[in-house]
Amino acid sequence: EDQVTQSPEALRLQEGESSSLNCSYTVSGLRGLFWYRQDPGKGPEFLFTLYSAGEEKEKERLKATLTKKESFLHITAPKPEDSATYLCAVATGNQFYFGTGTSLTVIP
Amino acid sequence: DGGITQSPKYLFRKEGQNVTLSCEQNLNHDAMYWYRQDPGQGLRLIYYSQIVNDFQKGDIAEGYSVSREKKESFPLTVTSAQKNPTAFYLCASSIREHQPQHFGDGTRLSIL
Repeated sequence: EDQVTQSPEALRLQEGESSSLNCSYTVSGLRGLFWYRQDPGKGPEFLFTLYSAGEEKEKERLKATLTKKESFLHITAPKPEDSATYLCAVATGNQFYFGTGTSLTVIP
Repeated sequence: DGGITQSPKYLFRKEGQNVTLSCEQNLNHDAMYWYRQDPGQGLRLIYYSQIVNDFQKGDIAEGYSVSREKKESFPLTVTSAQKNPTAFYLCASSIREHQPQHFGDGTRLSIL
């Protein structure tokens, strides 16, 4: 069964304290892995697409990496405005499967 | 500015009533999607459409219906057969299958 699991469920960081969020997946025929940011009461905002193992993408304080079984979203020196829920999704066949997200809180 | 517009932002349904959620996009995307988001659960796919006049059921289509008469529009009807409709509904579009999906800001549906 296709499955996407994100960990941890929640993460509290001090401002400037770097960390990583994990997205592990078991799907047949990965067509792409996607990271999104979701603020309360809003729709998810697209961040990155990764298509093959070894690929990396960066945007400001965020860096996404992909292996054959998991993806990491690295957050370097986070700021309070990085507080949000981060969602991972995989495309396989004709569907997207979303994880339940990691709720990140960055404390000033 | 190109984007996806969902309306209304908040919607209340009475028992036995059908309600329709609007989703319009001006991104010229071929594919459109409807998801339901409940606390503690990932987004679950209700329906999707790859082209005009064609759509497929997702994982939780029971109690919902859609139409795709225009490329820009993909309305979702929550019928009285959906016994637990209270949720946050998200519409998305992508240029084609397996490409990043871009989301609207959602409609929150509650039961009166």
